[in-house]
Amino acid sequence: SQQGEEDPQALSIQEGENATMNCSYKTSINNLQWYRQNSGRGLVHLILIRSNEREKHSGRLRVTLDTSKKSSSLLITASRAADTASYFCATDGVDSSYKLIFGSGTRLLVRP
Amino acid sequence: SQTIHQWPATLVQPVGSPLSLECTVEGTSNPNLYWYRQAAGRGLQLLFYSVGIGQISSEVPQNLSASRPQDRQFILSSKKLLLSDSGFYLCAWLIPGVEAFFGQGTRLTVV
Repeated sequence: SQQGEEDPQALSIQEGENATMNCSYKTSINNLQWYRQNSGRGLVHLILIRSNEREKHSGRLRVTLDTSKKSSSLLITASRAADTASYFCATDGVDSSYKLIFGSGTRLLVRP
Repeated sequence: SQTIHQWPATLVQPVGSPLSLECTVEGTSNPNLYWYRQAAGRGLQLLFYSVGIGQISSEVPQNLSASRPQDRQFILSSKKLLLSDSGFYLCAWLIPGVEAFFGQGTRLTVV
C-alpha cells in the first residue's frame, strides 16, 4: 500500500508559533500534495510538490520532499487561530497516477 | 467555472435500506472522479474511482458499488446498508498532477 502516515496525529500550538507536520509514504511517487480539512467539510488543496522538487513555498506554507526517505513536511509559519484544521498529505504513485492516496492526517489546534 | 456538487449533506438510514449518493461536476469534461470514505478522526479511504463513463475501479471489496451513468455524474450505492457503512463520504474530481477538488461530503449514519 502506498498509504501515507502523518505525525504527529495531533498538534496544539499558540498563535504566532510555527507548526510542522510530517508525512511518510511507501512507494515511488509522481507528486505529493497537502490538503486542509475544516471539521465536517470537504478537503481543500494547499500545495503540490513534484517528485523532482525538494522544496516549495506558498504564502505561509513551506513544503519539503525527501524522496530518498519517502517523507515530506509541511511548515505553517506564524500560525493563526484560523489555521485550526486537519491536514493531510496525499500521493499518486508512479504505477498508479490516477489513484490519490491520503495519509491519516494531523489535527492542528492553534490557540488564540 | 469548475465546481463539484455532492448531496445530500446528511443522511440517516436504517440498516438494510438502500443508498444512493450523487456527485456531479461542472465546467469540465471526462473528469476523473473518486469516492472516499472517512471514519471519524481518521484519514480518507479510497473506495472507487472512474476515469470515464462506465469505467469503475474498486479499491476495497465491500457492501458498496459505484456507477458512472454520465460523463460528469458519479453515484455511490448500496442495496442493503450495514451499520459499518456509517461515515463521512466524499466525492472528488482529480486533475492528475495538479490537484483534487472535493465536494462538501455526506455524513451517513446507519441506525
